[in-house]
Amino acid sequence: AQSVTQLDSQVPVFEEAPVELRCNYSSSVSVYLFWYVQYPNQGLQLLLKYLSGSTLVKGINGFEAEFNKSQTSFHLRKPSVHISDTAEYFCAVSSPNTGNQFYFGTGTSLTVIP
Amino acid sequence: EAQVTQNPRYLITVTGKKLTVTCSQNMNHEYMSWYRQDPGLGLRQIYYSMNVEVTDKGDVPEGYKVSRKEKRNFPLILESPSPNQTSLYFCASTPNWAGTDTQYFGPGTRLTVL
Repeated sequence: AQSVTQLDSQVPVFEEAPVELRCNYSSSVSVYLFWYVQYPNQGLQLLLKYLSGSTLVKGINGFEAEFNKSQTSFHLRKPSVHISDTAEYFCAVSSPNTGNQFYFGTGTSLTVIP
Repeated sequence: EAQVTQNPRYLITVTGKKLTVTCSQNMNHEYMSWYRQDPGLGLRQIYYSMNVEVTDKGDVPEGYKVSRKEKRNFPLILESPSPNQTSLYFCASTPNWAGTDTQYFGPGTRLTVL
């Protein structure tokens, strides 16, 4: 089975400051990587995903993530956060080699401080 | 509107009283799954279904049952709920299993078992 590690459970950051949310996954021959966002009292929605090709992936709301195969990482970044970015962020992985399942990390709670 | 619906949104019950949480999607998706979300544990997959009449266990299937008699519906059944099943439950669907597709999540069902 795959495993996903989100090292930071809570990240406070001031408005308009940059932020990086970290995600590492267990090694596999090939993986597909996702970042989902969960706003308070809502379900999850996709921010971005990496399937293949360019290692820098751009998503919605100004977020981007970089796939680093050698470090088995897929960190999420935003150069300038807004109050509306306050939410829970989940990294997820799937792979054609480990069955028909998705694996999620434990989540990072991002709080943007005015 | 394309969506995944769950009912009920909130449920308080007592130990041992059978319950069903319904999930329905209107996107003609083949793949559906159930997750539970617990603090510090993230989302964990309970069961998934590749298509009608095809279901399989995820990482935490004990105490749960599912069925997939129609493509659009994927109910989660707790035959004898226990307090350790108190959690936030999400249903999700994706067009098919390739591991590359976006998952579409329902709004969640908050279950409390007393």
